[in-house]
Amino acid sequence: AQSVTQLGSHVSVSEGALVLLRCNYSSSVPPYLFWYVQYPNQGLQLLLKYTSAATLVKGINGFEAEFKKSETSFHLTKPSAHMSDAAEYFCAVSERGGSYIPTFGRGTSLIVHP
Amino acid sequence: DVKVTQSSRYLVKRTGEKVFLECVQDMDHENMFWYRQDPGLGLRLIYFSYDVKMKEKGDIPEGYSVSREKKERFSLILESASTNQTSMYLCASSLRGAEAFFGQGTRLTVV
Repeated sequence: AQSVTQLGSHVSVSEGALVLLRCNYSSSVPPYLFWYVQYPNQGLQLLLKYTSAATLVKGINGFEAEFKKSETSFHLTKPSAHMSDAAEYFCAVSERGGSYIPTFGRGTSLIVHP
Repeated sequence: DVKVTQSSRYLVKRTGEKVFLECVQDMDHENMFWYRQDPGLGLRLIYFSYDVKMKEKGDIPEGYSVSREKKERFSLILESASTNQTSMYLCASSLRGAEAFFGQGTRLTVV
């Protein structure tokens, strides 16, 4: 079975500050891991994905995430927040060699203050 | 670019009505999914399909059914809509083992 826990339903940062959104996963087999972003009244857009190559994954809009097997974590970071980063962020896991159905966390709402 | 198109952005239906939500993808993906999104609960899987005419229940299938007669089209059916089915519905598709691509979502209100 697979599951995702996103710590913090809301994260608030100032413009220009570091963004850190936390994700821990549970998977019985090596996972694929994803971060998605959702703007108001839109579908989800892929930010980045981990599929067993480099453990540090770079995505769009300056975001990156690091896969840490020992900590079962896949935290999302961005060095400097921009107002346009305000959105809902979802972490997802799917099991390699399994059904490949992605399981999503409950989401973290990123609030950016000027 | 992969495109997943949901037939309606907003729908208002009455309690007891039969409701059809349509989803079409244009990239020949094997997998298609229907999720329901509610505040604080994230995305919950209703049904998925890995091939034409094949379907599997997800975490919350009660009150829903699906149809996949063609590879590009996956329909979600609410047999008798109820107010607790008021939600955002998201369709997605993927190749096996790859990331999912999402439609814009359908915000359904049942009154």
